[in-house]
Amino acid sequence: EDKVVQSPLSLVVHEGDTVTLNCSYEVTNFRSLLWYKQEKKAPTFLFMLTSSGIEKKSGRLSSILDKKELFSILNITATQTGDSAIYLCAVANNDMRFGAGTRLTVKP
Amino acid sequence: EAQVTQNPRYLITVTGKKLTVTCSQNMNHEYMSWYRQDPGLGLRQIYYSMNVEVTDKGDVPEGYKVSRKEKRNFPLILESPSPNQTSLYFCASRWRLDRGYTGELFFGEGSRLTVL
Repeated sequence: EDKVVQSPLSLVVHEGDTVTLNCSYEVTNFRSLLWYKQEKKAPTFLFMLTSSGIEKKSGRLSSILDKKELFSILNITATQTGDSAIYLCAVANNDMRFGAGTRLTVKP
Repeated sequence: EAQVTQNPRYLITVTGKKLTVTCSQNMNHEYMSWYRQDPGLGLRQIYYSMNVEVTDKGDVPEGYKVSRKEKRNFPLILESPSPNQTSLYFCASRWRLDRGYTGELFFGEGSRLTVL
């Protein structure tokens, strides 16, 4: 059975800290791994990763995929209160399967 | 503007009263999907559709029906809602993967449903 597992499920940090969110997966016919950020509304797209070892960056966020070990990490440096959200990992094969999400809380 | 539109956005209903949540996308996407989101459980897939007249069960299909008579529309039907279907529902769509496209999903704004 396909599955996507995120860890930790919840994380509380202070502004300025660096965090690493994890996503491991077991799916057939892997096509891509995606990260989304969800605040109060619908998830918003962050990154899509298809190849191992190539880092994607957007400002203070970065992500990398390891297709051999079947995991991805999302790093956020110099966290801000606006980074507080649920971060969702999803894996696309013929379908799309989501992990349970990591709830990040950044305190001032 | 490219978008996925869900209605209603908020609904309070009573057990057993049939309801339909509509979903429409204007991006000519082949793939559409319904998810429900409950605290601590992430997004769980209810049903998905790879194209017109093709639908498949996701992880939590019990108590739901869908149809895909047109490419742009993918309504979610609750024939006899029960309180355990109280949840936040998202419709999403994307292009078919075999076009060389690798998968970003476009989400509707969500529909918060309460069943009393």
